[in-house]
Amino acid sequence: KNQVEQSPQSLIILEGKNCTLQCNYTVSPFSNLRWYKQDTGRGPVSLTIMTFSENTKSNGRYTATLDADTKQSSLHITASQLSDSASYICVVSFDRGSTLGRLYFGRGTQLTVWP
Amino acid sequence: DVKVTQSSRYLVKRTGEKVFLECVQDMDHENMFWYRQDPGLGLRLIYFSYDVKMKEKGDIPEGYSVSREKKERFSLILESASTNQTSMYLCASSPGGLAGTYEQYFGPGTRLTVT
Repeated sequence: KNQVEQSPQSLIILEGKNCTLQCNYTVSPFSNLRWYKQDTGRGPVSLTIMTFSENTKSNGRYTATLDADTKQSSLHITASQLSDSASYICVVSFDRGSTLGRLYFGRGTQLTVWP
Repeated sequence: DVKVTQSSRYLVKRTGEKVFLECVQDMDHENMFWYRQDPGLGLRLIYFSYDVKMKEKGDIPEGYSVSREKKERFSLILESASTNQTSMYLCASSPGGLAGTYEQYFGPGTRLTVT
């Protein structure tokens, strides 16, 4: 059972528009939640990382929110640009008391921005 | 800036060949990881190393082995490549301590095709 579910699976928006990507997780307890951006054919790059006590974090036009009670996170992209076209991956980490915590990866939302 | 490099961007090998994928990081990180990424499945952890010569199995270690003789270098070995190992392979590193706590920095990936 995938413990991190992302929606939508894919999304197309016009340049300049805003959008919101969703992440629901069942991992509990968790250490932190991250959003990564992955361009086609490249490795993921971190956008934000939030601990369970944080409920919002911004990185330029990207704003992530976290509701630890409902186990939901969202990534809001403002004034989209063509370069925002990528896969956005939600990752939840869980400290299980060993050096190797545990990372649960969502399957990503594929965002396409059209001119 | 953290830099994680992988020896090849694209690799084509024949079934039964022994395959080496190399990863080097330049930030003196203790933790290093190997993932594979397949369409619709997201990232899955193959192996993790938290120190030189130390390793732990991830979720899908079957058919793979790893080697970490130096802190900056982590190798993934496919002892006898099979077609179901055709995939994108991503290496990552992070500072020491609990692996789930710190941000992971990813390399650009190696797209391996086994024919």
